[in-house]
Amino acid sequence: DTAVSQTPKYLVTQMGNDKSIKCEQNLGHDTMYWYKQDSKKFLKIMFSYNNKELIINETVPNRFSPKSPDKAHLNLHINSLELGDSAVYFCASSHHLRTSGTTDTQYFGPGTRLTVL
Amino acid sequence: AQSVSQHNHHVILSEAASLELGCNYSYGGTVNLFWYVQYPGQHLQLLLKYFSGDPLVKGIKGFEAEFIKSKFSFNLRKPSVQWSDTAEYFCAVSTYGGATNKLIFGTGTLLAVQP
Repeated sequence: DTAVSQTPKYLVTQMGNDKSIKCEQNLGHDTMYWYKQDSKKFLKIMFSYNNKELIINETVPNRFSPKSPDKAHLNLHINSLELGDSAVYFCASSHHLRTSGTTDTQYFGPGTRLTVL
Repeated sequence: AQSVSQHNHHVILSEAASLELGCNYSYGGTVNLFWYVQYPGQHLQLLLKYFSGDPLVKGIKGFEAEFIKSKFSFNLRKPSVQWSDTAEYFCAVSTYGGATNKLIFGTGTLLAVQP
């Protein structure tokens, strides 16, 4: 079974369109993330949700809106797509902070390659 | 702000050569350290991690890394690489004591192993 899954794997669309990427995890984790990997392979966090609550929101345009219907799902909706949005988007999940405050390992999905024409 | 530096952007080795990939981070507090690998066309997979204890950690596929606190480093090593190790390697850091579990990634090192 795939631990963290994303759909679609590839997404090609025109500028100005609105699109969504879905992510699901079956690891029983309570925290999920979205990362963006640019053309130079640099990975940067965008959002994080813990138990459906937004806990990390990096400097990301308002056109990007994450939605977490439950703690096993974190979807990413993008409005008015721009050329610069072309990238690979990775979803990840982990347990939240331990009571000691230590972090936990994040497990990544297969990625969604978004190409904006 | 925390940052992670990977000095080797592109490494080319022959099979059976030894590997060492550098990783340095900037953060004065306690950190958790990770190495992830991304094989061509695939997602990120965890190679190894350091949370506490023995600074020499062993991961999958014969990889190991050593945490040297005084040097703010977490270099990845493998004594003898194989062609199948060709991949992109990412060092990452997360800090604890705060309210979030954010991974800061380095820019990655592309390893090409020639048969």
